[in-house]
Amino acid sequence: DGGITQSPKYLFRKEGQNVTLSCEQNLNHDAMYWYRQDPGQGLRLIYYSQIVNDFQKGDIAEGYSVSREKKESFPLTVTSAQKNPTAFYLCASCPGGIYGYTFGSGTRLTVV
Amino acid sequence: QKEVEQDPGPLSVPEGAIVSLNCTYSNSAFQYFMWYRQYSRKGPELLMYTYSSGNKEDGRFTAQVDKSSKYISLFIRDSQPSDSATYLCAMSALGGTYKYIFGTGTRLKVLA
Repeated sequence: DGGITQSPKYLFRKEGQNVTLSCEQNLNHDAMYWYRQDPGQGLRLIYYSQIVNDFQKGDIAEGYSVSREKKESFPLTVTSAQKNPTAFYLCASCPGGIYGYTFGSGTRLTVV
Repeated sequence: QKEVEQDPGPLSVPEGAIVSLNCTYSNSAFQYFMWYRQYSRKGPELLMYTYSSGNKEDGRFTAQVDKSSKYISLFIRDSQPSDSATYLCAMSALGGTYKYIFGTGTRLKVLA
């Protein structure tokens, strides 16, 4: 079945560590996105990519980095510069046009 | 003022009731409107999308867009306990980068 796979489901980070969240899709979608979800704040866009080897900052990109070396993969690195990384992270993809997103099942990141 | 406003709820209704969920927005450039359903600790799933103004129906769900009032609605008929979830609206301007702006979500509880 086609879809988006996010891993791991739960992730714990120590202060000062970088961690990488995986996102893989087999939908052949061109565009991919990373959102952060916090209670009461909805989904906020971190980074997005419309094509391989290209990506743009979203509204809250500080402290995060991404790469898009393959169409299927869009990993997100949460760096030590991100001061409040505890959140639910959602990856999504979209074929473009008037179609909506397909979301992964999310990664819950907790700083310990 | 946020670009997209959505009452967070929770909204509690008895089983079988008609549910009305709403979002208002401020950006008149928005052309594409989506509704997503999110169960706890899961990724959102696309329910409905509409383009510009008008209504769209799919089973028990009806989406309405009133661009003159900058107001969109999702109606759920014959609500079921399995409809208990958070409902997110999302909207995007015509063309461009396919970025969607999300509301904060309304939590719905359908009581058996």
